[in-house]
Amino acid sequence: RKEVEQDPGPFNVPEGATVAFNCTYSNSASQSFFWYRQDCRKEPKLLMSVYSSGNEDGRFTAQLNRASQYISLLIRDSKLSDSATYLCVVNRGTDKLIFGTGTRLQVFP
Amino acid sequence: EAQVTQNPRYLITVTGKKLTVTCSQNMNHEYMSWYRQDPGLGLRQIYYSMNVEVTDKGDVPEGYKVSRKEKRNFPLILESPSPNQTSLYFCASRERMSTNEQFFGPGTRLTVL
Repeated sequence: RKEVEQDPGPFNVPEGATVAFNCTYSNSASQSFFWYRQDCRKEPKLLMSVYSSGNEDGRFTAQLNRASQYISLLIRDSKLSDSATYLCVVNRGTDKLIFGTGTRLQVFP
Repeated sequence: EAQVTQNPRYLITVTGKKLTVTCSQNMNHEYMSWYRQDPGLGLRQIYYSMNVEVTDKGDVPEGYKVSRKEKRNFPLILESPSPNQTSLYFCASRERMSTNEQFFGPGTRLTVL
């Protein structure tokens, strides 16, 4: 079992739709959580950190459920430019980041 | 502009021919890492460095070496490349704490024939 698991997708959604991704992690000692965005053949870039109380950044909302060990990312009012792969990232608790394999999103007109 | 640079961006080589991929950051970050990304496996850490002259193995270090003689540079060395090292490689840096954002270089696509 992978330490960080994501549904690879692809999620194909029309513009304006709301889409949600989940990610589960197996190490209960994990302390920090992030969502990174990766465009095709480009480097990953930080989208947002995930806080225990949940946090929002414009159309993006991230939630953390420590009891069930999962993280979610909600994207509202999807844009064509949101098409990318979204990587769930977890800090193992030893200063090391563990990356999920990513969930691919394709937004169509 | 704050950035991580890697060179070369693309490289095709043959088995056994030593190569070095350079990585440099201008943000005075202490922590630097090398990752490889393969389909279905995601980003896997090869080596990391907490500071100058301090390096340690990541999850897939076999066949790779690194050095950290200066804070800004963290080259990845393949002494004798093999075809299973064909991959997309990313260098990354961040401040010491893992709660901080990690910045990635643009990637190096390596093909070993």
